[in-house]
Amino acid sequence: AQSVTQLDSHVSVSEGTPVLLRCNYSSSYSPSLFWYVQHPNKGLQLLLKYTSAATLVKGINGFEAEFKKSETSFHLTKPSAHMSDAAEYFCVVSGWNAGNMLTFGGGTRLMVKP
Amino acid sequence: SAVISQKPSRDICQRGTSLTIQCQVDSQVTMMFWYRQQPGQSLTLIATANQGSEATYESGFVIDKFPISRPNLTFSTLTVSNMSPEDSSIYLCSVVRQGTDTQYFGPGTRLTVL
Repeated sequence: AQSVTQLDSHVSVSEGTPVLLRCNYSSSYSPSLFWYVQHPNKGLQLLLKYTSAATLVKGINGFEAEFKKSETSFHLTKPSAHMSDAAEYFCVVSGWNAGNMLTFGGGTRLMVKP
Repeated sequence: SAVISQKPSRDICQRGTSLTIQCQVDSQVTMMFWYRQQPGQSLTLIATANQGSEATYESGFVIDKFPISRPNLTFSTLTVSNMSPEDSSIYLCSVVRQGTDTQYFGPGTRLTVL
């Protein structure tokens, strides 16, 4: 079985300050991990994915995430928030034993203040 | 990635009616999925659309309520039958290309049932 917990349902930052969105996962096997972003009234866009190569994964729009097996975490970070980053972010886990099935976290709504 | 389109993008329907949502991909994919995102919630997998055979439904979803077709490798439909206000959600399709484990999502269909 696999599960994902996003530790914060809402995160608020000021423009230009760092972003940290926290995610912990549980998986019986070596998982693939993803972050997706959903802007208002839009579909889901893939930000980045981890598939057992480098533990530090760089994605689009300046986002990156670090896979820490010992902590079962895959936190998403960005050095400097932009107003356009305001959106809903989903941490997602998939395992080869789950037949490409995705398990979604509850989502974190990121708000960026001017 | 894959170019995925959904029709309609949004609709407002009356209680007791049915709506069929189409998902079209620009190239052949191995797997297609349908998800539901209720207001303010994360995504929940409805079913895997299998080409040429019956869809595989997740717990809590049944074929009579959500019939799915997938006549070929680039197209699938989801019907929401006998709708009630509780069916008001965003419905998204996703696809996986052969040899990858990454799901790409369509833009979603926003359904409101009155």
